[in-house]
Amino acid sequence: NAGVMQNPRHLVRRRGQEARLRCSPMKGHSHVYWYRQLPEEGLKFMVYLQKENIIDESGMPKERFSAEFPKEGPSILRIQQVVRGDSAAYFCASSPDRGSEQYFGPGTRLTVT
Amino acid sequence: AQSVTQLDSQVPVFEEAPVELRCNYSSSVSVYLFWYVQYPNQGLQLLLKYLSGSTLVKGINGFEAEFNKSQTSFHLRKPSVHISDTAEYFCAGGGQGAQKLVFGQGTRLTINP
Repeated sequence: NAGVMQNPRHLVRRRGQEARLRCSPMKGHSHVYWYRQLPEEGLKFMVYLQKENIIDESGMPKERFSAEFPKEGPSILRIQQVVRGDSAAYFCASSPDRGSEQYFGPGTRLTVT
Repeated sequence: AQSVTQLDSQVPVFEEAPVELRCNYSSSVSVYLFWYVQYPNQGLQLLLKYLSGSTLVKGINGFEAEFNKSQTSFHLRKPSVHISDTAEYFCAGGGQGAQKLVFGQGTRLTINP
């Protein structure tokens, strides 16, 4: 059973461009979580999604950030008009149901130049 | 609101010495606690978790942690560390359902030969 997959592993964007981060949950998992890790800090919750639904987006910045988890395909975290402060590692986790242990992917390291 | 505090940002120890990484939490509701390890440029791997039951939790790689409700602590211990234990360790907590994990700031464990 493959683990949580994230791609790309490294992403470089210039200021003002868009960044798209993908997360494929473990097989059989329908719950996805996104976290952001700024340099020298712990992980901060961003958003929790189930298939086609956003359950909790209390950690998402109000502007430029959006997330989706369509019926088919991976979950996407989209950052529009990136700024230097968006440079961070973005981790995705998945679980089979609400309240179960979360399994983390390897992360996408976004660098904004 | 729940918070998790890791009291030490860095802990250097000698190989084969014991180690304790400290974690305190605050919560007024039922609590789930976790310890994750992050090796350089990798994702998070679950070491152990406390959901309910016995307050002494054993995890992988010889680690264990004790849930102490009166002191609101969940310290991680290992009786004898190895060079390969060098990594960043994160304590995390979740309320009922544990959908949204709150992470501590992380403790960098460095093992000296």
